[in-house]
Amino acid sequence: NAGVTQTPKFRVLKTGQSMTLLCAQDMNHEYMYWYRQDPGMGLRLIHYSVGEGTTAKGEVPDGYNVSRLKKQNFLLGLESAAPSQTSVYFCASSYSRGQPTRNQPQHFGDGTRLSIL
Amino acid sequence: AQKVTQAQTEISVVEKEDVTLDCVYETRDTTYYLFWYKQPPSGELVFLIRRNSFDEQNEISGRYSWNFQKSTSSFNFTITASQVVDSAVYFCALSLSGGSYIPTFGRGTSLIVHP
Repeated sequence: NAGVTQTPKFRVLKTGQSMTLLCAQDMNHEYMYWYRQDPGMGLRLIHYSVGEGTTAKGEVPDGYNVSRLKKQNFLLGLESAAPSQTSVYFCASSYSRGQPTRNQPQHFGDGTRLSIL
Repeated sequence: AQKVTQAQTEISVVEKEDVTLDCVYETRDTTYYLFWYKQPPSGELVFLIRRNSFDEQNEISGRYSWNFQKSTSSFNFTITASQVVDSAVYFCALSLSGGSYIPTFGRGTSLIVHP
């Protein structure tokens, strides 16, 4: 039971570098999310997707892009990394077609700890 | 717009004490869902419970219990006889039945249980 898998688990970047975080889920979930977690700020939604080929902005989307070309994968890109993007990033997924409501619990990955120097 | 407030930033207790984590929510919708998640020191987020707005029955699961009161817009979480393993950050979340279904999280309450 893999659930939600995030890669990489740790990464150190220099300011201005780009990178992509990968999230994969094997639960056939329609909804996928990217959050960042900073001390005292809780979880803040960056972008989300309600289905393959669709994406939408969350609370803090600036500096990030996402893609959902395949249902099971949700990629988060940092175009030009900045020190303010140092954070722990969590991917989550929820809701399978056929469930009685879309208000399903989220399943989270283990997180990616990203440091921007 | 919906909002979730967890006013307690950090709670410190000694093992075997009972502790209640508060969650107050705001929404104009009549149909919604509330969630609690646990984030232990290892970092992963784990779902604990979901409750819909039409079910005000309290729930008990072992040492955990949840008190949902629509009259005060609260969904509080009580741990009875706390243990060191309960040390974690606990998040409360609210999602509406309609629209984007995207949950709104509180900022979390850090619970420290001392031996």
